[in-house]
Amino acid sequence: NAGVTQTPKFQVLKTGQSMTLQCAQDMNHEYMSWYRQDPGMGLRLIHYSVGAGITDQGEVPNGYNVSRSTTEDFPLRLLSAAPSQTSVYFCASSYQLAGGSNEQFFGPGTRLTVL
Amino acid sequence: AQSVAQPEDQVNVAEGNPLTVKCTYSVSGNPYLFWYVQYPNRGLQFLLKYITGDNLVKGSYGFEAEFNKSQTSFHLKKPSALVSDSALYFCAVRDKGYGNKLVFGAGTILRVKS
Repeated sequence: NAGVTQTPKFQVLKTGQSMTLQCAQDMNHEYMSWYRQDPGMGLRLIHYSVGAGITDQGEVPNGYNVSRSTTEDFPLRLLSAAPSQTSVYFCASSYQLAGGSNEQFFGPGTRLTVL
Repeated sequence: AQSVAQPEDQVNVAEGNPLTVKCTYSVSGNPYLFWYVQYPNRGLQFLLKYITGDNLVKGSYGFEAEFNKSQTSFHLKKPSALVSDSALYFCAVRDKGYGNKLVFGAGTILRVKS
């Protein structure tokens, strides 16, 4: 059971480039989400999904796209990278019981630098 | 909007002493509260949660947290700190609306010195 996996671990981009951060989970979790972590700001929700084919925006969605074609995978796309997107990105998943009482499982993170 | 505050950027404690990491919350309705820990260069790990019931919640690695509704607090505690407890700790609250969304505090660095 690999849990939540993320690739790549590190990435350097130039301004304007695009890329996809990969996230996969093997726990059959309905709920998946992407956060970014910046110093002194905790984790902020970018996008989330409650099941295959269903996605929605979080607190800071601008500049990012997501899709959920399978239960296992939830890629995050940066459309045109900007220095403000330099951050550590975490993917998380959980069961989606009514009320949202389930703890989330986090991946190891992707450290992204945009020059 | 749901929110949590962690008033201390850093907490320093000697090994063997009790530790407390503070968290206060602001929610409408009944709160679902969580504590997570992040070790250097790692993802977050779940420690414990309060959903309902007993105000004292026990979690992983000997940690516990006390839910106090009148003070809107959910402080993380451990009776005897270990050097290996040194890490970044996040308090979080279940956000309103659809989905299992969380709102995180800014985090508190815990340093335990031997």
